[in-house]
Amino acid sequence: GQNIDQPTEMTATEGAIVQINCTYQTSGFNGLFWYQQHAGEAPTFLSYNVLDGLEEKGRFSSFLSRSKGYSYLLLKELQMKDSASYLCAVISNDYKLSFGAGTTVTVRA
Amino acid sequence: IAGITQAPTSQILAAGRRMTLRCTQDMRHNAMYWYRQDLGLGLRLIHYSNTAGTTGKGEVPDGYSVSRANTDDFPLTLASAVPSQTSVYFCASSESAGGRDTQYFGPGTRLTVL
Repeated sequence: GQNIDQPTEMTATEGAIVQINCTYQTSGFNGLFWYQQHAGEAPTFLSYNVLDGLEEKGRFSSFLSRSKGYSYLLLKELQMKDSASYLCAVISNDYKLSFGAGTTVTVRA
Repeated sequence: IAGITQAPTSQILAAGRRMTLRCTQDMRHNAMYWYRQDLGLGLRLIHYSNTAGTTGKGEVPDGYSVSRANTDDFPLTLASAVPSQTSVYFCASSESAGGRDTQYFGPGTRLTVL
């Protein structure tokens, strides 16, 4: 099976930076997604990485190192609305998404 | 508004009953998926369909069946519900089944089996 690990919870202050790490061991690798999920809502797409390096999208950036089986999602200038769960998901050789359990980020004033 | 709809929003069901969760998308996406989300376990794939007329088993298919008669609809059926099927169910779709296309999720169905 696929193994995708991310921290369960993180807390940060409004305006700060938070880095959510994700490590994976999967049957092959064809890309990595990050999704955001607010409580009681559907997951929504944040980013996709397939090559090593950093992808930046406004306040959110995602990094990938395929050789280390590692990714992180960086959230800058945190806002209260960023309080949510962040899901790391990997596409393996069968071209299906396998999800980590998610990291719940709480932003405090 | 384009997207994915699911019905019902929530349901309480007696064990042993049959239940169909409905999912409809209007984006003309080829691939569709059913996931369940349980606390501490994340999203797990139940069944998928790469294109209309085809279906496949995901990670946790037992106790569930699906059909894909057309592009838009992908219903999930629990033939005889059991309490372990209490979960939040999400339907998703993507333009193709290649895995690299973004999956778009419906609002979810919260199912409780007593």
